[in-house]
Amino acid sequence: EVQLVESGGGLVQPGGSLRLSCAASGFRFSSFWMSWVRQAPGKGLEWVANIKHDGSEKYYVDSVKGRFTISRDNAKNSVDLQMNSLRGEDTAVYYCARGEDGYYYYMDVWGKGTAVIVSS
Amino acid sequence: AIQMTQSPSSLSASVGDRVTITCRASQGIRNELGWYQQNPGKAPKLLIYAASILHSGVPSRFSGSGSGTDFTLTISSLQPEDFATYYCLHDHTYPLTFGEGTKVEIK
Repeated sequence: EVQLVESGGGLVQPGGSLRLSCAASGFRFSSFWMSWVRQAPGKGLEWVANIKHDGSEKYYVDSVKGRFTISRDNAKNSVDLQMNSLRGEDTAVYYCARGEDGYYYYMDVWGKGTAVIVSS
Repeated sequence: AIQMTQSPSSLSASVGDRVTITCRASQGIRNELGWYQQNPGKAPKLLIYAASILHSGVPSRFSGSGSGTDFTLTISSLQPEDFATYYCLHDHTYPLTFGEGTKVEIK
């Protein structure tokens, strides 16, 4: 079964750090781009970051550039999101998603999400 | 960044109704657009990519159309499981951006 499972969420103070992980199974992980998408409470979806199959390309939404880092370990079938200098507006459920990148980029497999709360 | 504007933000409809949701891009994005469905408390699901290609396993009552700046998602005959929030997402350039969402509620 194709599956993504996020972990690492929790409560963190403003200015703090958190590392999210996403474990993939059931497919050839090293062949796919991976994404992080977040959803603040009661709000819509926001794309956060993408990483290419081999980690050679990474892209971020402007609001997290310089604070968040996406990385992957193809040997462990996992993708991480290191989040530093966290702010209240980073409070959200964070979803990991598999990306198909032929000519079009779309996210066809999603995890259930992990909640991040930034609060003092 | 390209802005995606969805309308309406919400709608009420009955089972069996035909429903149309629109998404407008702030600049031309060819057909580089997908549609996602999200039920409350659940992860999003891919419905359509490349503006009109139905993802595997998605019922044929869903269809998408459009190119350039204007796109539509149509549900030909609304089913009980279709009451959810729908988002468009462009993949034309980075940053990728979602529309604000359209909540489809039961009338």
